[in-house]
Amino acid sequence: DTAVSQTPKYLVTQMGNDKSIKCEQNLGHDTMYWYKQDSKKFLKIMFSYNNKELIINETVPNRFSPKSPDKAHLNLHINSLELGDSAVYFCASSQEAGGVRKTGELFFGEGSRLTVL
Amino acid sequence: GDSVTQMEGPVTLSEEAFLTINCTYTATGYPSLFWYVQYPGEGLQLLLKATKADDKGSNKGFEATYRKETTSFHLEKGSVQVSDSAVYFCALSVRYNFNKFYFGSGTKLNVKP
Repeated sequence: DTAVSQTPKYLVTQMGNDKSIKCEQNLGHDTMYWYKQDSKKFLKIMFSYNNKELIINETVPNRFSPKSPDKAHLNLHINSLELGDSAVYFCASSQEAGGVRKTGELFFGEGSRLTVL
Repeated sequence: GDSVTQMEGPVTLSEEAFLTINCTYTATGYPSLFWYVQYPGEGLQLLLKATKADDKGSNKGFEATYRKETTSFHLEKGSVQVSDSAVYFCALSVRYNFNKFYFGSGTKLNVKP
């Protein structure tokens, strides 16, 4: 039973198109994230939601818009795709412990490889 | 600001060799430290973690000790296997920054039979 699942796993599309990636976690966590991994494996945080509220919004183009319908889901919509958007996008989740701000580990999905042609 | 620096790869070793991957950090709060591993085509998995100074995290023969005096969290394994070939990421998280994780650039490990 997959803890953090993302769809699709692979996405190939043309420049200028709009695409979405979906993420669901069944761990009961209250915080979810989107990370971007480039071709050199460098990981960069894009967004984080806690209980459906946006808490981290790094310097990401406005073409990227996250949406969290509930705390188990965090989707990523990308408008007007560009060549530089080609990367692997990882969804992750974590849980604060007992109301105290202890840092829990991140649980990652398997990634969604986006290729923009 | 908070950051993690880890040694560049790739690191190529023969099976049963000793492994060290260096990681140092900068943090303004009290960080928790992590090592994650990414096997080809997969997401990142937690390998081990340490939440306070002098803690040692260990898993699958890998170890790392949280050294506050040297701000380091080096990953070690006494005898690597071909199946350990992967990319290893050092990471930190600080409490005040609401679970914001900082990752190193990753170190690719190749183990040859």
